[in-house]
Formats: sequence, structure tokens, C-alpha cells
Amino acid sequence: AQSVTQPDIHITVSEGASLELRCNYSYGATPYLFWYVQSPGQGLQLLLKYFSGDTLVQGIKGFEAEFKRSQSSFNLRKPSVHWSDAAEYFCAVGNYGGSQGNLIFGKGTKLSVKP
Amino acid sequence: NAGVTQTPKFQVLKTGQSMTLQCAQDMNHEYMSWYRQDPGMGLRLIHYSVGAGITDQGEVPNGYNVSRSTTEDFPLRLLSAAPSQTSVYFCASSKTGMNTEAFFGQGTRLTVV
Repeated sequence: AQSVTQPDIHITVSEGASLELRCNYSYGATPYLFWYVQSPGQGLQLLLKYFSGDTLVQGIKGFEAEFKRSQSSFNLRKPSVHWSDAAEYFCAVGNYGGSQGNLIFGKGTKLSVKP
Repeated sequence: NAGVTQTPKFQVLKTGQSMTLQCAQDMNHEYMSWYRQDPGMGLRLIHYSVGAGITDQGEVPNGYNVSRSTTEDFPLRLLSAAPSQTSVYFCASSKTGMNTEAFFGQGTRLTVV
């Protein structure tokens, strides 16, 4: 069965520092991969997605992610974090299994930003 | 653009009560889904629909019922609320499934006492 692991529950970075959020997935073929962001009290917003092609994908708000098949990873990066980036981030994989067309989410990484 | 609209935003229920969480989208999306979000658990799929008249169970369907009579609406019914159903519920829609962007509503925070 497909699964998504986000090893870090909570990360704190200083404003202006670089950021990398880790995501590992379990799936035999090339997966559909997504990163969503959830600001406090809000719904989820898509940051970026990977389906095929270039393994480095650019998203909104200055985020990027790199698909590494050999490591089954899809880590999210940002070169310089802003205070407004404080939120919870979810990695997700498209489900090829029983509930096709839906997403399997990781448990999320909460990002705090120090001034 | 309204996108995905969920009502109500907050609700408190007593154990055993029933209620319906409403979800409507105005993007003519075929796929609609309900997820619940619990601390440390991420989002888990409750029920989903791939089009009007078609619904199926997700990962955690027990205690919930859905129907899809129109493309726009996908209500979630709690048949007899239990404290274990205290959660934040999100409705999502997408044009054709997982290879297209899913749009999420703002969520319904439900407390069952």
C-alpha cells in the first residue's frame, strides 16, 4: 500500500534562513506527488506538484521540491524563509489503489519561524 | 470565485445527535472528497465521489454517510455522533482526480460532547 512519511513533526527556523522539509513515499512506480500548506484555521493550499519530467519543480511563494526516485523522496525547500511561511506543511501522494483519484497525506510538519 | 464552500464552520453536538455537514463547489469538478484531520494524524479520507450518483468509502468511513445527487453538492452525514468524531472536516474537489489540483474548503470544526 502507498504511504507517505514526514519524519519531522515540528521544525523551527530563523527568518531568512533556508528551509528543507522532508518527505518520503512508498510506491513502486512513478507517483503523483504534492505539497500542501495549511495556515492556522485555514484549508489546504497547493504549493506544488510533480507528475513526470523535470525532477525539480517550482511552486508558489518561492518554494521548490526535488523528486529523487533513488531515495523515494520529495523534499520541499525554500532558500529564505519569511515569517508568513509559519504554517503546517503536508506532503501527499496520489492514490492508485482502492480510492483512486484521492490523496494519501503524511502527518504534516509544523513550521515555526523565529524573528 | 467561491471555490469549495463548507458550512457550518463550527458545530458542537451531543453524543447521539445527527447532523449534516454541507459542501458545495462551483468549479464543475467531478471528484469530491471528505477528509478528517486529527492532531498528529494528517488528513484521512472518509468518503469520496467520482461523479454525481457515484460514491465510495475511504479509509475511515464508519459512522458517516454521503450522497451525491448533483455535481455541485456533496454532504456528509453523521448518523449518531460520538466523541471519537470530534475533528476538523475538510471537503475537497478536483477536476478529474489525483493528477489535477485538489481544492479544499475552509473546514468544519466539530466537537462532540
